Amino acid sequence: DIQMTQSPSTLSASVRDRVTITCRASQSISSWLAWYQQKPGKAPKLLIYKASSLESGVPSRFSGSGSGTEFTLTISSLQPDDFATYYCQHYNSYSWTFGQGTKVEI
Amino acid sequence: QITLKESGPTLVKPTQTLTLTCTFSGFSLSSGGVGVGWIRQPPGKALEWLALIYWDGDKRYSPSLKSRLTITKDTSRNQVVLTMTNMDPVDTATYYCARGPTIPIFLDVWGQGTTVTVSS
Repeated sequence: DIQMTQSPSTLSASVRDRVTITCRASQSISSWLAWYQQKPGKAPKLLIYKASSLESGVPSRFSGSGSGTEFTLTISSLQPDDFATYYCQHYNSYSWTFGQGTKVEI
Repeated sequence: QITLKESGPTLVKPTQTLTLTCTFSGFSLSSGGVGVGWIRQPPGKALEWLALIYWDGDKRYSPSLKSRLTITKDTSRNQVVLTMTNMDPVDTATYYCARGPTIPIFLDVWGQGTTVTVSS
């Protein structure tokens, strides 16, 4: 099974900071990676798919990059609405694996 | 507008079977490439994928839970049903269903989730 490892687990930042979250796969997953944002008590929201494709309606301050085993989610200028937990997810035709999450806090 | 909504019991006893229904609108599960998956999240923990069913009836299960899960669809009623046998307190979680729009499937629209507690 492919394992997904995110770092850091918790990130303290301020409004307007540039924030980067890393996700590593235990083996190459090409570009089959998605990023989700989850706020307390709410369902996850898709931000990025295929490693770098921005979901419709998601602000352009969010971007994704990487391929193979190492991926990053970058928030170019953190806004108050962005304090949340972020999950990466590997997907293919057979299995779907989430990372353990990164909490972005003030 | 695409929506999904989970329904089912909020409380089940250990060893019982859980049946959850995902009722959706705004898309068809008979459209090529589309899938509906189930994901759960124990309190304070990470997301865990459980199962997915494709438009053509093909099914995928989490290897660690495969023996306990069954996923089915009723295309005419726009529903996907997940059953999980032999429930245990560690299965206490919020259960989500979500749509996958294309192959390979990522999850672009999620239901609000339903909380299931396993306790005697």
